[in-house]
Amino acid sequence: QVQLQESGPGLVKPSQTLSLTCTVSGGSITSGSFYWSWIRQPAGKGLEWIGRIYTSGSTNYNPSLKSRVTMSVDTSKKQFSLNLSSVTAADTAVYYCAREAVGEVANWFDPWGQGTLVTVSS
Amino acid sequence: SYELTQSSSVSVSPGQTASITCSGDKLGDKYVCWYQQKPGQSPVLVIYQDGKRPSGIPERFSGSNSGNTATLTISGTQAMDEADYYCQAWDSSVVFGGGTKLTVL
Repeated sequence: QVQLQESGPGLVKPSQTLSLTCTVSGGSITSGSFYWSWIRQPAGKGLEWIGRIYTSGSTNYNPSLKSRVTMSVDTSKKQFSLNLSSVTAADTAVYYCAREAVGEVANWFDPWGQGTLVTVSS
Repeated sequence: SYELTQSSSVSVSPGQTASITCSGDKLGDKYVCWYQQKPGQSPVLVIYQDGKRPSGIPERFSGSNSGNTATLTISGTQAMDEADYYCQAWDSSVVFGGGTKLTVL
């Protein structure tokens, strides 16, 4: 079955850019009606959707983060990536990548990666 | 922006039925899914498209959605069901509820 694994620095300095990569294994990144998404969760808090990318390169971002987010996909490596610029301590969170199934006016995330903690601190 | 509201906590005795609600304006017109998250673990999809169960999710998990409220029902709740539960819908963007902590005591 499909598995996802996040990778990237665990510590980022304020004002710098957070960069993470998600590697997909056990299945194709190009098959079916799937988007590839990023979601984050600050410690002790709820889930926040960051955005998603389709293998064509088409993206949708959370309006609250849109000005700072860039996503890309490399189908040959079965990877997709997140860049979040101008980070502050408020961006400290566990970052998850997930496969997003999209139907008619419906969507859901399954499976999720194990998550990676990113701390923003000098 | 669209909001989904969940109660912060629900308690249930083992073997009883737990109901976790998620409310939003005309939520019944949208599809809702639910995730279970145990401490230190990633969320797991337990219900999608209001009431469908993914493969591997026990039958005791069910869902419904009507009016302004979606409900996740866990019948015959077990200790292993103790977790945080999040609802999620789409309204021009992905929206998550704030989460409900289910305690089995």
